[in-house]
Amino acid sequence: QQQVKQSPQSLIVQKGGISIINCAYENTAFDYFPWYQQFPGKGPALLIAIRPDVSEKKEGRFTISFNKSAKQFSLHIMDSQPGDSATYFCAARSNNQGGKLIFGQGTELSVKP
Amino acid sequence: DGGITQSPKYLFRKEGQNVTLSCEQNLNHDAMYWYRQDPGQGLRLIYYSQIVNDFQKGDIAEGYSVSREKKESFPLTVTSAQKNPTAFYLCASSWGSNQPQHFGDGTRLSIL
Repeated sequence: QQQVKQSPQSLIVQKGGISIINCAYENTAFDYFPWYQQFPGKGPALLIAIRPDVSEKKEGRFTISFNKSAKQFSLHIMDSQPGDSATYFCAARSNNQGGKLIFGQGTELSVKP
Repeated sequence: DGGITQSPKYLFRKEGQNVTLSCEQNLNHDAMYWYRQDPGQGLRLIYYSQIVNDFQKGDIAEGYSVSREKKESFPLTVTSAQKNPTAFYLCASSWGSNQPQHFGDGTRLSIL
């Protein structure tokens, strides 16, 4: 019940296309859902996050869509660029577990020029 | 510049040895975390600390130990009891347990 399942494991998108990464969870106590971007040899950087009281959050080319009833959320990257090539992790947290983040397995995105 | 500093970037350990990974932050954050990253498995929580002189085990604490004697420092010791220590270790910090976590650039530990 503590798992967050992320798909796909890898994704190849043409420049200018839309990248979509999906995550699913079981624990209904989760109340915060961040997405992290990680480049090789670096730590993850917080990209965008959402709470379950909204269905969508947009920041620039990045959008989180959240479906509370289905217990799913996804990251959409519009107009994907080669510089977006990185590994993306979704995560989830419940407010009664000391800030512990449960991470998905990661998606390696490659944007081809 | 404010941030989280992990050192060293690469670390090699002989079998049977303990090794300590450093994590320092100058963000004045109360909470600090250690994660382990393995290929294809995401990040898993080893230990976390919400306040100085207090810490809790995460999901994979066996073979690891930590201390939190100062607010800005949260060192992780990988003991000889950790049977598969080769991994990328990431330290994070946040203002509080319900605030966003920010990560350092990690230490890659390898066994000789």
